[in-house]
Amino acid sequence: EIVLTQSPGTLSLSPGERATLSCRTSQSVSRSYLGWYQQKPGQAPRLLMYSTYTRATGIPDRFSGSGSGTDFILTIDRVEPEDFAVYYCQAYGNSRNTFGQGTKLEIK
Amino acid sequence: QVQLVQSGAEVKKSGASVKVSCKVSGYSLIEVSVHWVRQVPGKGLEWLGGFDPEEGETMYAQEVQGRVTMTEDTTSGTAYMELSSLRSEDTALYYCATLRDLLSGYRFDYWGQGTLVTVSS
Repeated sequence: EIVLTQSPGTLSLSPGERATLSCRTSQSVSRSYLGWYQQKPGQAPRLLMYSTYTRATGIPDRFSGSGSGTDFILTIDRVEPEDFAVYYCQAYGNSRNTFGQGTKLEIK
Repeated sequence: QVQLVQSGAEVKKSGASVKVSCKVSGYSLIEVSVHWVRQVPGKGLEWLGGFDPEEGETMYAQEVQGRVTMTEDTTSGTAYMELSSLRSEDTALYYCATLRDLLSGYRFDYWGQGTLVTVSS
């Protein structure tokens, strides 16, 4: 089973700052199988990015994804108040899907 | 407009079984598959399983293998997840989500509202 490790656990930023969220996988993952999800309290997760760098429908371009192999990054340029939430990376490999433990983006 | 509507909250005794449904509208279950993900309150997301288009069969997470059965009724557009031999650790919010295959861009694109399953001793 692929293990996904996200860092940091909590990221404290002010609106307007840049957020960099990391997702490291225990074995190499195809870029096609790496996604990111946003979850706000009391809500279901929402798809943000898939295939590493493709934004889902309706996701603003301040969100971007990058990476390959075992290291992937979600970047939020100029964080907006509505971006404060928990972010999960997700990967498919060895016929299984796995989620990271999440990064909480909180207001500083 | 794609919508996934799940059945209501359940309270079960340890050792019992629970069956959660997920009605999908706006998509045919021939073009997507439904997967299940759970979340213990205050914790992260845990993938439980679903039909794997890469493998051509339903795959389950090791944690629930042998206790879980996932099925889809393409006629009614409804997916089901049945979990047996319930334990207190199974208390969680259970989500269904539609999976698009690699050709379309592998992703869980729509999610249900969640079904809270509480297991009591």
